[in-house]
Amino acid sequence: AQKVTQAQTEISVVEKEDVTLDCVYETRDTTYYLFWYKQPPSGELVFLIRRNSFDEQNEISGRYSWNFQKSTSSFNFTITASQVVDSAVYFCALRFTGTASKLTFGTGTRLQVTL
Amino acid sequence: KAGVTQTPRYLIKTRGQQVTLSCSPISGHRSVSWYQQTPGQGLQFLFEYFSETQRNKGNFPGRFSGRQFSNSRSEMNVSTLELGDSALYLCASSLGGTSVADTQYFGPGTRLTVL
Repeated sequence: AQKVTQAQTEISVVEKEDVTLDCVYETRDTTYYLFWYKQPPSGELVFLIRRNSFDEQNEISGRYSWNFQKSTSSFNFTITASQVVDSAVYFCALRFTGTASKLTFGTGTRLQVTL
Repeated sequence: KAGVTQTPRYLIKTRGQQVTLSCSPISGHRSVSWYQQTPGQGLQFLFEYFSETQRNKGNFPGRFSGRQFSNSRSEMNVSTLELGDSALYLCASSLGGTSVADTQYFGPGTRLTVL
């Protein structure tokens, strides 16, 4: 089965705390891409990052970092020093070979950052 | 560069009616995909259009249809609306290559309420 699981439904943190959002996927494909999107209250899905299955290097972009581990089929997302503007629903998604443009999404993790 | 635009942003319809949603992709993007987002089912793929042809389709009834015009703009139509069709409908555009690396960029969505 090809599936994306985001077990954390909702996370609440206080501003400046670090937070990690988990993403676990299942696939038999050897070539695939993983994505993270952010959905603020306005509703638009904002693209954050794309990572291919052959590149296990971690990536850092400002306060955001991603840890991809093929051995555990995980692609976790960490926000360092969280801010109120980070409050949103975050989706992990997977795109497999042979499925053309279809993205398979996880159920999302709602992050609430409070003062 | 302008992002993906969707019109209208909000719609209220009654059961049995039909509705047409519109999506204008990012300039230069030739692929348009549609997704339905509901609290119960999450984000589900409806279909994808590329060069005016449907290239991929999700598991939705025939009441859901779409088309793409020569300028890559796309419309989605839902006939004989049901209460369960109430959802946020998201349009995504991408360059349209067949590589799984092709990244989709989403519009703000159309929130459809069926009464």
